[in-house]
Amino acid sequence: DAGITQSPRHKVTETGTPVTLRCHQTENHRYMYWYRQDPGHGLRLIHYSYGVKDTDKGEVSDGYSVSRSKTEDFLLTLESATSSQTSVYFCAIGRTGETDTQYFGPGTRLTVL
Amino acid sequence: AQSVSQHNHHVILSEAASLELGCNYSYGGTVNLFWYVQYPGQHLQLLLKYFSGDPLVKGIKGFEAEFIKSKFSFNLRKPSVQWSDTAEYFCAVTGLAPRGGGADGLTFGKGTHLIIQP
Repeated sequence: DAGITQSPRHKVTETGTPVTLRCHQTENHRYMYWYRQDPGHGLRLIHYSYGVKDTDKGEVSDGYSVSRSKTEDFLLTLESATSSQTSVYFCAIGRTGETDTQYFGPGTRLTVL
Repeated sequence: AQSVSQHNHHVILSEAASLELGCNYSYGGTVNLFWYVQYPGQHLQLLLKYFSGDPLVKGIKGFEAEFIKSKFSFNLRKPSVQWSDTAEYFCAVTGLAPRGGGADGLTFGKGTHLIIQP
């Protein structure tokens, strides 16, 4: 258990609505990541953070924004959800002392109708 | 840009058979390599990792992997699989972070869906 929780775990929403997913960690790690998982694509990096207020884009960042105002929370926002954003979203942390090793949360299944 | 290729998308084996899942990566510098496993309905769990040193690394649940630098490969092996090994397996790579001390994120292969028949 990497001390990561994600909320909500499941969400159904409609096209055009804003959605925010939350990742919370209890171990005070500096590095946090958001990935999406889609069949036939594996996991792809959306955004990541290397500290409070320090974030950067990943491979598939279009349509997503992130914020990190506290070490323990990393928020992923879909400003206007589209059906192509239907996916399973995983948060990960990079453990201090083994920063290149990532540990994953339980995931959020998002369906955009 | 780095990329990871997993050759087998679906593999079906019988219990006690030997397993080898292929993984090749493309990256111009020093890499760190990982195998993750995802059991049905669960999140990803780290099986094993290679950073440096002995190219044969051992992980949990009897899995091992061999890093062959000349072939840009990091194949996963298990001498005798069990029904409980049914899962999706992902190979991943990360290069050295430009900021030093941290990783910029993993690049994953598309995964191999392994089914073990009793």
